[in-house]
Amino acid sequence: EIVMTQSPATLSVSPGERATLSCRASQSISGNLAWYQQQPGQAPRLLIYDASSRATDIPARFSGSGSGTEFTLTISSLQSDDSAVYYCQQYKSWPPAWTFGHGTKVEIK
Amino acid sequence: QVQLVESGGGVVRPGTPLRLSCLVSGITLSSTGMHWVRQAPGKGLEWVALLWSDGSTKFYADSVRGRFTISRDMSQNTLFLEMTSLTAEDTAVYFCVRGVYYFDYWGQGTPVTVSS
Repeated sequence: EIVMTQSPATLSVSPGERATLSCRASQSISGNLAWYQQQPGQAPRLLIYDASSRATDIPARFSGSGSGTEFTLTISSLQSDDSAVYYCQQYKSWPPAWTFGHGTKVEIK
Repeated sequence: QVQLVESGGGVVRPGTPLRLSCLVSGITLSSTGMHWVRQAPGKGLEWVALLWSDGSTKFYADSVRGRFTISRDMSQNTLFLEMTSLTAEDTAVYFCVRGVYYFDYWGQGTPVTVSS
């Protein structure tokens, strides 16, 4: 099983500042990585797929980068409604055994 | 507009079977993969099962293989998850999700509690 490790567990950022979230895979997953945002009481929402492609209607302040085992989600200028838990997910393994990281909670200072 | 609406969750005793449903609109089940993803209370996300667009190719997480079955009914535009041999570890909100490799549309989830 490919294990996904996210850091930090919690990130506290002031509005307008940059937030940088990390995700590490236990083995190379090429660019087969997605990021999701989950706000309290809601279903997750796809932000980024293929490591760096923004999903439909996702604001440009969200960007993804990385390949292999190291990935980053950057929120360039944090807004109040960005307070959420962010998950990474790999889809490299075959047969399918998609796995998620444990999440990074982003708090607004 | 894509909509996924789950139903069928509830409180069940260990070992009791349960069937979850997901009514799909705005997409054709034969054109896409569909998954179930679950989230235990206060925990992260766990992929559970995938039904390929052909309707017969299925994949399962190790934690549910042999106990859960994913299927669909094209006439009802509905995805199912049949769950047997349930234990407390299966307690979670179950989401119906569209996608093949990543998940672009999610339902709001249906909660399943397994408790004696």
